[in-house]
Amino acid sequence: SAVISQKPSRDICQRGTSLTIQCQVDSQVTMMFWYRQQPGQSLTLIATANQGSEATYESGFVIDKFPISRPNLTFSTLTVSNMSPEDSSIYLCSVTIQRTEAFFGQGTRLTVV
Amino acid sequence: GIQVEQSPPDLILQEGANSTLRCNFSDSVNNLQWFHQNPWGQLINLFYIPSGTKQNGRLSATTVATERYSLLYISSSQTTDSGVYFCAVPPRGGADGLTFGKGTHLIIQP
Repeated sequence: SAVISQKPSRDICQRGTSLTIQCQVDSQVTMMFWYRQQPGQSLTLIATANQGSEATYESGFVIDKFPISRPNLTFSTLTVSNMSPEDSSIYLCSVTIQRTEAFFGQGTRLTVV
Repeated sequence: GIQVEQSPPDLILQEGANSTLRCNFSDSVNNLQWFHQNPWGQLINLFYIPSGTKQNGRLSATTVATERYSLLYISSSQTTDSGVYFCAVPPRGGADGLTFGKGTHLIIQP
């Protein structure tokens, strides 16, 4: 298994600002994943963060809006840029162990006002 | 991409009842997971079950990969079982990351 810590756990932000979410894993992993869960909805994959290369974004998500860093094998950040109320969601970090079972952090609950 | 459908979308039961949640997927997969999201938003791993049957206490799961469905059984429900149950599979072929179904919202009443 994996222990994943996300910071912050929640935040309330003004529209037009940016928030950076941190994800720390207790072991080295090749790929880390970022998901969004809009209110009352399911989880949607935003991007895959690979160490040493640019993140791979899913359809509907772009780097300018959700820049991702992956400086080493245990850490990643997701920035939500130029926020609007529509960005209010839970953002979750995930890792896959040996490309099998996925584990999730506790999530960051973002409210944009 | 792959489609994941869960049923029923909502389920309300009395404490002690049994339930069966279903997950259908549109393409062959090599990975399937069931999660429970509790009322505080925490996503808890229940089963990693690409095929076959597994049991963990009052919960069990069966995946029939050739027929593209999986079932989650909850027996003797408790109020702490309330929350949303998601199944998830890889988005396409062997790609990493997961595509989630819309979930089953389960409410267990005392």
